[in-house]
Amino acid sequence: EADIYQTPRYLVIGTGKKITLECSQTMGHDKMYWYQQDPGMELHLIHYSYGVNSTEKGDLSSESTVSRIRTEHFPLTLESARPSHTSQYLCASSLGGGGTTGELFFGEGSRLTVL
Amino acid sequence: SQQGEEDPQALSIQEGENATMNCSYKTSINNLQWYRQNSGRGLVHLILIRSNEREKHSGRLRVTLDTSKKSSSLLITASRAADTASYFCATDTSGSRLTFGEGTQLTVNP
Repeated sequence: EADIYQTPRYLVIGTGKKITLECSQTMGHDKMYWYQQDPGMELHLIHYSYGVNSTEKGDLSSESTVSRIRTEHFPLTLESARPSHTSQYLCASSLGGGGTTGELFFGEGSRLTVL
Repeated sequence: SQQGEEDPQALSIQEGENATMNCSYKTSINNLQWYRQNSGRGLVHLILIRSNEREKHSGRLRVTLDTSKKSSSLLITASRAADTASYFCATDTSGSRLTFGEGTQLTVNP
């Protein structure tokens, strides 16, 4: 079982609220990722990080922001949630180096519903 | 458009049968990986095959890679009801992240 944790698992909030999805890993991985996935659909990369103080936007444009102040922590924030943000958000991590992307370890996901 | 496309989108078989899922991609890769996702859960890594490898085995799983055709297949032998899940291929083209396919929903009937 992967040592990567996401909270909350489920969140229902009203439009306009600010939310932060937490992601922590205890494996000392340098690389961390946020993917967005609608039910039964493919995963879309929205943010990733190579290490502390490094963040990059992914392939899918997102209004969310991320920070990487500590190696083990990669929170995702939505300043003003909208119904279009309703989705599942998956956090993952992997070892860095070697010029390739190795195995990703995923958390259980945070399912966000914005009313 | 997505790098990986999977075929079929859905597959329903009986326990004990083999299940084959295919993945095609567009650009050259460093490696290709297969993941499994149970409903409502995170993804679990199954197997990684490098661009210079042609076949890899892990238990009941067999993965092939044909870089000339830009395609890969995942074979699950002697399937079980517990194998029911979505299976995704993912490609590493940049060395920095993975791009996932659309997935195949496998149902194994007892």
